[in-house]
Amino acid sequence: GESVGLHLPTLSVQEGDNSIINCAYSNSASDYFIWYKQESGKGPQFIIDIRSNMDKRQGQRVTVLLNKTVKHLSLQIAATQPGDSAVYFCAEAYFGNEKLTFGTGTRLTIIP
Amino acid sequence: GAVVSQHPSRVICKSGTSVKIECRSLDFQATTMFWYRQFPKKSLMLMATSNEGSKATYEQGVEKDKFLINHASLTLSTLTVTSAHPEDSSFYICSARRLAGVQRADTQYFGPGTRLTVL
Repeated sequence: GESVGLHLPTLSVQEGDNSIINCAYSNSASDYFIWYKQESGKGPQFIIDIRSNMDKRQGQRVTVLLNKTVKHLSLQIAATQPGDSAVYFCAEAYFGNEKLTFGTGTRLTIIP
Repeated sequence: GAVVSQHPSRVICKSGTSVKIECRSLDFQATTMFWYRQFPKKSLMLMATSNEGSKATYEQGVEKDKFLINHASLTLSTLTVTSAHPEDSSFYICSARRLAGVQRADTQYFGPGTRLTVL
């Protein structure tokens, strides 16, 4: 079936550096994609989303890039901080359905 | 941002008992809520879609008689794990959908999760 997956299960980044978390998806019909951050023992927290008709969207310290040609999604976090350490999930959804299909997750560790 | 709460945050029960988990959207109305299950170091697996005023829609492989869902109001959905067994031990997370309008991406806000341990 259709799925959303991640290239790397773990990523370690020096504090202050930028990090890039990648996600590959297989369903080209998805209307939008979302990035969530999940800290240990907590529920996912919405970070940013992007519609399928866009290729870039920026938030506070975060940028999401969407490459529909290769079905690739990435989350860039600028000037990483210790509080950025968490598991990051990408997810995809359709307008009017809204069921999220989650990827496998990437654990980001910020090294002080 | 929107707030979704879950209660209890942790529960330990004996095998054979039933456990009810509540999910509340605190500052918006949610006609649709979702229930997920998450195993350690794994992704979230959608169990069912909870619809206010109607029956829940279960994902393939999820037993509806095992996991009873009730969405009695626009701010409350409950998940009851009936006759719980050790294999039901997991982290259960709910989310509530806040509508954004036509052709706009709705946002799902997640609760903090409930850790269920069945002895």
